Amino acid sequence: DTAVSQTPKYLVTQMGNDKSIKCEQNLGHDTMYWYKQDSKKFLKIMFSYNNKELIINETVPNRFSPKSPDKAHLNLHINSLELGDSAVYFCASRDGLAVNEQFFGPGTRLTVL
Amino acid sequence: KNEVEQSPQNLTAQEGEFITINCSYSVGISALHWLQQHPGGGIVSLFMLSSGKKKHGRLIATINIQEKHSSLHITASHPRDSAVYICAVIGIQGAQKLVFGQGTRLTINP
Repeated sequence: DTAVSQTPKYLVTQMGNDKSIKCEQNLGHDTMYWYKQDSKKFLKIMFSYNNKELIINETVPNRFSPKSPDKAHLNLHINSLELGDSAVYFCASRDGLAVNEQFFGPGTRLTVL
Repeated sequence: KNEVEQSPQNLTAQEGEFITINCSYSVGISALHWLQQHPGGGIVSLFMLSSGKKKHGRLIATINIQEKHSSLHITASHPRDSAVYICAVIGIQGAQKLVFGQGTRLTINP
């Protein structure tokens, strides 16, 4: 059973397109995150939702819009894709009641041509 | 300067050697994660600790809150331990934002 899943695993698209990445967790967690890993493998937080409410919104361009239809899902929509958006995007989740371990999805490798 | 610094950035060793990866941080934290990322790309949490020491098999993690320092040790290293090891700290604020180190690329040769 996959705990945190992401689709698609790979995404290749042209500059200017709009694309979405989906994340689902079956752990019963109420807090989910999106992280970006750049070409130098450095990870940085983008967004976090707790029970469908946005609680972390780092300095991310407005072209990135997270959406959480329910606490098990956190999707990331990206408008007007740019070359610099090429990266691996990781979703993660945790149980929000205490300081708890985060569980990561397998990542989505986005390549913008 | 990054809030979380790891050393070394790259480490190559022979199978069987004792490995130490260090992590220093400059902010107040509620806990610290050690993560492993294999060449395939997936990220696995190895430990989360807020004090003292934890052990899983051949892996040991320690943290000294006063000195703002943590270490990850691997005993009897094996080629399958080759991966990037990432230290990440959890801030004190309620959202539990992870701030990551730059990672240590470990290569164990047979």
